Amino acid sequence: EPEVTQTPSHQVTQMGQEVILRCVPISNHLYFYWYRQILGQKVEFLVSFYNNEISEKSEIFDDQFSVERPDGSNFTLKIRSTKLEDSAMYFCASSRDRYGYTFGSGTRLTVV
Amino acid sequence: GDSVTQMEGPVTLSEEAFLTINCTYTATGYPSLFWYVQYPGEGLQLLLKATKADDKGSNKGFEATYRKETTSFHLEKGSVQVSDSAVYFCALNQLQGAQKLVFGQGTRLTINP
Repeated sequence: EPEVTQTPSHQVTQMGQEVILRCVPISNHLYFYWYRQILGQKVEFLVSFYNNEISEKSEIFDDQFSVERPDGSNFTLKIRSTKLEDSAMYFCASSRDRYGYTFGSGTRLTVV
Repeated sequence: GDSVTQMEGPVTLSEEAFLTINCTYTATGYPSLFWYVQYPGEGLQLLLKATKADDKGSNKGFEATYRKETTSFHLEKGSVQVSDSAVYFCALNQLQGAQKLVFGQGTRLTINP
């Protein structure tokens, strides 16, 4: 069964550093998403991406965040200057339509 | 805005017990409703879904019925197993817009042998 692949599975970074979280969505999917889950809290929508541009973003997705699909297969989330409160599990997802989301296993980001 | 509320966890049951995890939602229009499951160390997996009122989603012995009159989508299973131990998330999305999922806070379920 096709999978969404995320790398790395765990990243530790110092506050103020830039991080890039990587995702390989399912190849025939058209919609791409990033969600995050702070430990013990609900899964929160960050951003959706369609047709090479952001289609919607949440209040959390401020100027410190950016997304890119650099080569037609990867989908990246960049955090420019990490803060302690960015520590969370970040999930990538892709879908072909509004019913068929597939999530990756997540990247656990720890900011120290 | 749209929101989903789940029953507080954690929930601990014995094997073969009956399970209900309550989920209610607030949304305009007619959203689609989902249950996702997260096993330890893994990502979110779709468990079941319902796309219109009175639809029943089912998978792996789990069921949930889309009740528009009570804005609910409660998850049930008649006889749980130890392998059902996981975190369960109720979610919705809308037909219009970017199709993002709105999640509940999750309910941790532990099944003891």
